[in-house]
This record gives sequence, structure tokens and C-alpha cells, in this order.
Amino acid sequence: RKEVEQDPGPFNVPEGATVAFNCTYSNSASQSFFWYRQDCRKEPKLLMSVYSSGNEDGRFTAQLNRASQYISLLIRDSKLSDSATYLCVVNIRVGVNTGFQKLVFGTGTRLLVSP
Amino acid sequence: DAGVIQSPRHEVTEMGQEVTLRCKPISGHDYLFWYRQTMMRGLELLIYFNNNVPIDDSGMPEDRFSAKMPNASFSTLKIQPSEPRDSAVYFCASSGHETPLHFGNGTRLTVT
Repeated sequence: RKEVEQDPGPFNVPEGATVAFNCTYSNSASQSFFWYRQDCRKEPKLLMSVYSSGNEDGRFTAQLNRASQYISLLIRDSKLSDSATYLCVVNIRVGVNTGFQKLVFGTGTRLLVSP
Repeated sequence: DAGVIQSPRHEVTEMGQEVTLRCKPISGHDYLFWYRQTMMRGLELLIYFNNNVPIDDSGMPEDRFSAKMPNASFSTLKIQPSEPRDSAVYFCASSGHETPLHFGNGTRLTVT
């Protein structure tokens, strides 16, 4: 089983729609979680961190479910400019007392917002 | 802050040649990561360093790949000899402890 799994999509939605992505992770020792956005031929950029209590940033809402080991991203009122690939990232502690971390990326979910 | 700086942006080389990719992390970040991205395999972690020490190189494909971090402000990823299947975008990223990654613009490598 992959450490981080995402539905590759693409998700095709019209402008104004609400769309949600899920991401599952296999390592229960995962420490922190993030959503990144990647535009075509560009580097990934941090969209938002995911906190245990859930967090919102404008039209974007991220949630974490530790019991079921998944995180989600909800986009409301989709814009054309939201078209991109959304990458789920899990920060895993390496070893028992090393303090080292490893960031593992999902393969991404592609979103296409059409007029 | 200038962000993570990678060079070159593009590299085209012939099979068998040595390729060196360079990275300058964000000042103060103690983690540095090298990733490779292809359409087929997505973002793959090749190796990462903590305080200039390699921690996990299990993602390095084979002995043709090597990475060094001689100091806190510079790292290299070397491929020798290069092969067409090495063609990909190589990203360098840096972070602090349990903080988000910041990526460089990437190096697009084409091996013919």
C-alpha cells in the first residue's frame, strides 16, 4: 500500500461548483499534513496546512480525520484559476527517537474548472 | 527572502554525460530534499538531508545518482552517466523542523 494515496482525477467541474478531494495515509505516526497546489510546469506551492481541528482559508477548507487516516480539501465557489493539481503531503517521523521527518507526497488530484 | 534557488533551469545532454544539478536552500532551513517528478510516477523523494547530513537516500534510483551537501547553503545532485530514462523535472526543497516545504523552480532535464 502506498504511504499516501489520492484519486488522480481529473475532476471536471463548472465554475461556482463545490468540489472535495480526499487523501488517505497509511502511517499512523504521521505528524503533520499539508495541501500543495501545482500548476502545469511549475513547482508545487503550499496551499494550506491541515490542523486537527480543521481549518478554513477563504473558499478552501481542510480537515483531518486521524481515526480513519485521511485528510480532505473542500473548494467552494470554484474559479477557473483553481484549475491545477492538488497534492496531499504527509509528514512522517522517521525512527523512534531520531526527530527526523520525511515528507511524502501523493501523486496529486487534477482539477479542471470550466466556464 | 530569495526562496530556494536551483540551477540550471533547463539541461539537455546526451546519454552517458555527467549532469550536475545545484540547489541553494532558504537560509535557516535545516532540511533539504531532492525530488524527481515525471508524469508516470509523480513526485518521488530521492534523498534528504538534515543539517547537511544525508538521512534517507533510499529513493536514489541507483549508483549513477549521488548527492552531496558540503555546507548549509549548497547541495548538488549528480547523475553519472546519464540515461534517457533520467529525463524528468528535478526539484530541490527546504524546510525547518515540521514546517512546510518550499520548492525551487526545478531543473528540467532531458537526456537524449
